[in-house]
Amino acid sequence: AQSVTQLDSQVPVFEEAPVELRCNYSSSVSVYLFWYVQYPNQGLQLLLKYLSGSTLVKGINGFEAEFNKSQTSFHLRKPSVHISDTAEYFCAVSGSGDYKLSFGAGTTVTVRA
Amino acid sequence: DTEVTQTPKHLVMGMTNKKSLKCEQHMGHRAMYWYKQKAKKPPELMFVYSYEKLSINESVPSRFSPECPNSSLLNLHLHALQPEDSALYLCASSQERGSYGYTFGSGTRLTVV
Repeated sequence: AQSVTQLDSQVPVFEEAPVELRCNYSSSVSVYLFWYVQYPNQGLQLLLKYLSGSTLVKGINGFEAEFNKSQTSFHLRKPSVHISDTAEYFCAVSGSGDYKLSFGAGTTVTVRA
Repeated sequence: DTEVTQTPKHLVMGMTNKKSLKCEQHMGHRAMYWYKQKAKKPPELMFVYSYEKLSINESVPSRFSPECPNSSLLNLHLHALQPEDSALYLCASSQERGSYGYTFGSGTRLTVV
């Protein structure tokens, strides 16, 4: 089985500052890794995904993440945040050949002016 | 069409009512999912349909009854729910075993009174 740990439950950040959200995973098989964003009262929107290949993944809205197999991590970064990035962010993992997508507990990002 | 459409967006029902949630996708995905999300929590998997057959049931109470009439539609029939079943219900789809990612709908906000 696969599992994900998001190391920060809340991340306050000032507008135009960089942000990093940390995600570690555990799995005994090859994995697919995802970051989703959820704005208040909305569904989940895919930010980016790692399936294979280059370990640096670029997503929407200026986000990127780096897959590090040796450290079993998939941290999400954005060099300069906006007020509109205020949301809940979920890291998720599925195993190769698996249907189940397992989510971390989520990180609440609050961007202040 | 790269969307998963869920209806209704909001639903209020009494504990003796019968209602249904609907989910539709036209991306040719062959796996469809129901997730339940309580406030400030990650989504929890309820059911998985693969090629229109129930593949995973995560020990969900029988008052929730899924149905997959065809490859594009997924329903969740609700009967005799409890107030603690109030939550955001999310539908998702993927190509086979999620190896290319999962697409989520915007959800149905259910309130049981």
